[in-house]
Amino acid sequence: ETGVTQTPRHLVMGMTNKKSLKCEQHLGHNAMYWYKQSAKKPLELMFVYNFKEQTENNSVPSRFSPECPNSSHLFLHLHTLQPEDSALYLCASSQGAGLPGELFFGEGSRLTVL
Amino acid sequence: AQSVTQPDIHITVSEGASLELRCNYSYGATPYLFWYVQSPGQGLQLLLKYFSGDTLVQGIKGFEAEFKRSQSSFNLRKPSVHWSDAAEYFCAVGAKNTDKLIFGTGTRLQVFP
Repeated sequence: ETGVTQTPRHLVMGMTNKKSLKCEQHLGHNAMYWYKQSAKKPLELMFVYNFKEQTENNSVPSRFSPECPNSSHLFLHLHTLQPEDSALYLCASSQGAGLPGELFFGEGSRLTVL
Repeated sequence: AQSVTQPDIHITVSEGASLELRCNYSYGATPYLFWYVQSPGQGLQLLLKYFSGDTLVQGIKGFEAEFKRSQSSFNLRKPSVHWSDAAEYFCAVGAKNTDKLIFGTGTRLQVFP
């Protein structure tokens, strides 16, 4: 398998549920990202990990909890979400190390919060 | 404040017509500029990027973009659009020594046969 793979592709959850999004990259990259894509809004950077260390938390509410166990895997743990958190969550990877290089995106996880 | 503006939310063109998508940026440092494309149900794919040098850059799928520092613009062009180019296009800006890219709100391109 190549590229960036995200699971699940679609997720529906209630406000009291706990779920996780998973991202895996097979590109040998050192940086991984979570972005939120909502209709009619710019992509919002949520978190950045470089060499498994979190280097960016863009004022994301604590109901979103990232985890990066190694350079190839990234998780986004979700709990007590709000309906306004419904969006497409995109994972991306890059060579990293502070270079604004090309981002490779997964296909996204479409989240609906009821 | 750092920002990227794509003034056209939606553009419709006929197949075979030329295309120009506008992008303006506001960025304090020397900008690194990108265009990404997103097809329905897909993630974003890089079309082209500008770091330095020749201000006219060529990308994949026959796209090109021109960096104009005096106008703070990085417009995307294609001489002849194909139906498969229908997608959403995002302009983004970043800088050296940062992982952070700032994206515009996107332009949705519709292509009529």
